Amino acid sequence: NAGVTQTPKFQVLKTGQSMTLQCAQDMNHNSMYWYRQDPGMGLRLIYYSASEGTTDKGEVPNGYNVSRLNKREFSLRLESAAPSQTSVYFCASSEMGGMGETQYFGPGTRLLVL
Amino acid sequence: EDQVTQSPEALRLQEGESSSLNCSYTVSGLRGLFWYRQDPGKGPEFLFTLYSAGEEKEKERLKATLTKKESFLHITAPKPEDSATYLCAVWGGTYKYIFGTGTRLKVLA
Repeated sequence: NAGVTQTPKFQVLKTGQSMTLQCAQDMNHNSMYWYRQDPGMGLRLIYYSASEGTTDKGEVPNGYNVSRLNKREFSLRLESAAPSQTSVYFCASSEMGGMGETQYFGPGTRLLVL
Repeated sequence: EDQVTQSPEALRLQEGESSSLNCSYTVSGLRGLFWYRQDPGKGPEFLFTLYSAGEEKEKERLKATLTKKESFLHITAPKPEDSATYLCAVWGGTYKYIFGTGTRLKVLA
């Protein structure tokens, strides 16, 4: 099992460009999450998907959109990147969601917006 | 406001020198506390889940404990391979997980 995979590993964008971060999990989990991690701050939830077909905003959703493509895949889109979106992005999944169970994380995507 | 505070921010230990990391929290109705290990350039890796005060979990040189206000991650006789950032998170209900900023541990040979 690969667990949670993310692509790309690293990306450089210019201000105003768009891109999609991809995430897939092979653990048959129902819930998936997108976080960002910035120096001196804890992981912050951007969006989550409780189950296939549903998505909801987290703590810092502005400037992002998400798509739960199927049970395995959850993508994060930056429509018009800004320097403030320079960060490391982590995708995570959990079995049921909303029940306090363990989240499993991917390796991250490092994004630099110039 | 729900909050998680980890201390110290950074810790340097000699190999074999035991110590503890602290995670204090203020959250209404704690329903779960999680410890993760994060290596540089990698995603967080799950270590432990604690659900109620008094609970303890162990894994190799690591032992996690939980009280009503804080959790400790005890590291006994650490080795250089234990060097990493250790993250604490609390589950505040529904989909809300609150992460601390972590403790960067460096174990010197």
